[in-house]
Amino acid sequence: GNSVTQMEGPVTLSEEAFLTINCTYTATGYPSLFWYVQYPGEGLQLLLKATKADDKGSNKGFEATYRKETTSFHLEKGSVQVSDSAVYFCALKGGGNKLTFGTGTQLKVEL
Amino acid sequence: GAVVSQHPSRVICKSGTSVKIECRSLDFQATTMFWYRQFPKQSLMLMATSNEGSKATYEQGVEKDKFLINHASLTLSTLTVTSAHPEDSSFYICSANRASEGAETQYFGPGTRLLVL
Repeated sequence: GNSVTQMEGPVTLSEEAFLTINCTYTATGYPSLFWYVQYPGEGLQLLLKATKADDKGSNKGFEATYRKETTSFHLEKGSVQVSDSAVYFCALKGGGNKLTFGTGTQLKVEL
Repeated sequence: GAVVSQHPSRVICKSGTSVKIECRSLDFQATTMFWYRQFPKQSLMLMATSNEGSKATYEQGVEKDKFLINHASLTLSTLTVTSAHPEDSSFYICSANRASEGAETQYFGPGTRLLVL
């Protein structure tokens, strides 16, 4: 079946540091890939997505590139801010209407 | 934006009682709603998918008689945990999407923390 593996947190960074959160997946066929973000006290929100190999999703300074050869979709941001502190979930959608999520990675950004 | 609310946000109940959790789409009509369960440090596990006016489709291993789902209107779905036991303690999250959008555009509620004593 489909599965998503992402790095365990928490990840603690200083403001303006570079961020990478690793995500790899296992799926049959050609899934669509997503990153969701959950700010404290709020529901998950779609951050970015990529629907085919080599696509790059981007939003709010975050980027992730769909790498089929390495089955990866790592999330990156060049300079994090305190307001980026949240839990980040990698997810995929294969055939059908279901999303498969990773375990989430908590990011803490300090001044 | 599209807002989904859940009520209550937190509930504590005694073993053997039933608990109802509401999920509402506040500013759009949700043709499909999803219910997830999340254990500490684990991913969201899809429990069931419900479409308005029809029976929910449960994932393998989810007891439909224990987790009753009702999607009576385009803005409301309810999850009732019947005869709750301590092992049902978890974080329950709902999401909803519109017919015009794909499954990735699910709008998530903030979740309900259930503790069964």
